[in-house]
Amino acid sequence: EADIYQTPRYLVIGTGKKITLECSQTMGHDKMYWYQQDPGMELHLIHYSYGVNSTEKGDLSSESTVSRIRTEHFPLTLESARPSHTSQYLCASSITGELFFGEGSRLTVL
Amino acid sequence: QKEVEQDPGPLSVPEGAIVSLNCTYSNSAFQYFMWYRQYSRKGPELLMYTYSSGNKEDGRFTAQVDKSSKYISLFIRDSQPSDSATYLCAMSGGSNYKLTFGKGTLLTVNP
Repeated sequence: EADIYQTPRYLVIGTGKKITLECSQTMGHDKMYWYQQDPGMELHLIHYSYGVNSTEKGDLSSESTVSRIRTEHFPLTLESARPSHTSQYLCASSITGELFFGEGSRLTVL
Repeated sequence: QKEVEQDPGPLSVPEGAIVSLNCTYSNSAFQYFMWYRQYSRKGPELLMYTYSSGNKEDGRFTAQVDKSSKYISLFIRDSQPSDSATYLCAMSGGSNYKLTFGKGTLLTVNP
């Protein structure tokens, strides 16, 4: 069983607030990812990291930013949340090809 | 044309039925193929991971890859109500570890 944790699981906030979604894994995986998932739609990659101090933007443009200061930690930050950011955010990690996902953070911006 | 096409369903079957879930893809570079299961309000859980063409079996689940047709399948035998979930196909190519996902198929197994 994969050990990857996301907090908060659910977050409802007002427009303009700064939020950080936390993601931690205890498996020592070097690769970590953030995906965005909307109902009935594909998972879209928004950020990824292949190691400490390495971050890249994914295929879907996002106003969020990420950091990778420690191997186990890959937080995602929105400086000023908007209703268009309402979505489910899924964090994942891997060593080889298969990804292991966290439970997700469901964000609602009012 | 999307790189990965997956029939979103929904698919409803009686308990004990054989279920067939399918994806087609257009990118010839895809070499690694995965199936994930996602329960409502949960993250995707890896079910099957295959490389190249052929079959792979794990309990009631069989993953099949036909690279010549760019077509992958997941078969579930003796389906159970606990199999009710959304099934996502995913694939990647070469040294690129980024996955491309299908939209997912919502499966309901009725007792």
